[in-house]
Amino acid sequence: NSKVIQTPRYLVKGQGQKAKMRCIPEKGHPVVFWYQQNKNNEFKFLINFQNQEVLQQIDMTEKRFSAECPSNSPCSLEIQSSEAGDSALYLCASSLSPGFTEVFFGKGTRLTVV
Amino acid sequence: GEQVEQLPSILRVQEGSSASINCTYENSASNYFPWYKQEPGENPKLIIDIRSNMERKQTQGLIVLLDKKAKRFSLHITDTQPGDSAMYFCAASGGGTQVVGQLTFGRGTRLQVYA
Repeated sequence: NSKVIQTPRYLVKGQGQKAKMRCIPEKGHPVVFWYQQNKNNEFKFLINFQNQEVLQQIDMTEKRFSAECPSNSPCSLEIQSSEAGDSALYLCASSLSPGFTEVFFGKGTRLTVV
Repeated sequence: GEQVEQLPSILRVQEGSSASINCTYENSASNYFPWYKQEPGENPKLIIDIRSNMERKQTQGLIVLLDKKAKRFSLHITDTQPGDSAMYFCAASGGGTQVVGQLTFGRGTRLQVYA
């Protein structure tokens, strides 16, 4: 079973509303990734960080998406103003280091924007 | 960046036979190649991986091969069972100008094992 815990499993929001999802990485994993998996099963990298620091985020996420990993609290991904095209499965993943090592995924939050 | 091509998109095999999925990548600096299995409504689960210092790795009925010259890697499932039916994704990550640690995924292969 996955040791990366994501909540909620399902999230329904209206267009323009904020959508926030949370992730507890596997214990001892300082690196956290967020990916978006669309209905065609395509993965899109959104953002990653190490401990509390953002390593990199794609252009899309710089505008409406934000993420944080405060110490001693779950990580979170927030969409400031949801759009229909944001409907997808949002997957959080964690690893021991930024590269060359295993990455483990949580079960995801399925966002539906109506 | 990196691009990963995965074929076939759909694969139907008879129970007990082998299944092979092939992926190619573009960035010669990529050095880590995991494979994930994803069942409906579930998270992608890491089933096997290979690093650039290896050409072959085997575990529990799974074999992965890596050909760095051809920039190609493949997954072979031996003695397939109905429980192997799922989506399979290959991925690549590593050096160059890529986001550190970012996995670039193939588009997936839907494997169907029939009796």
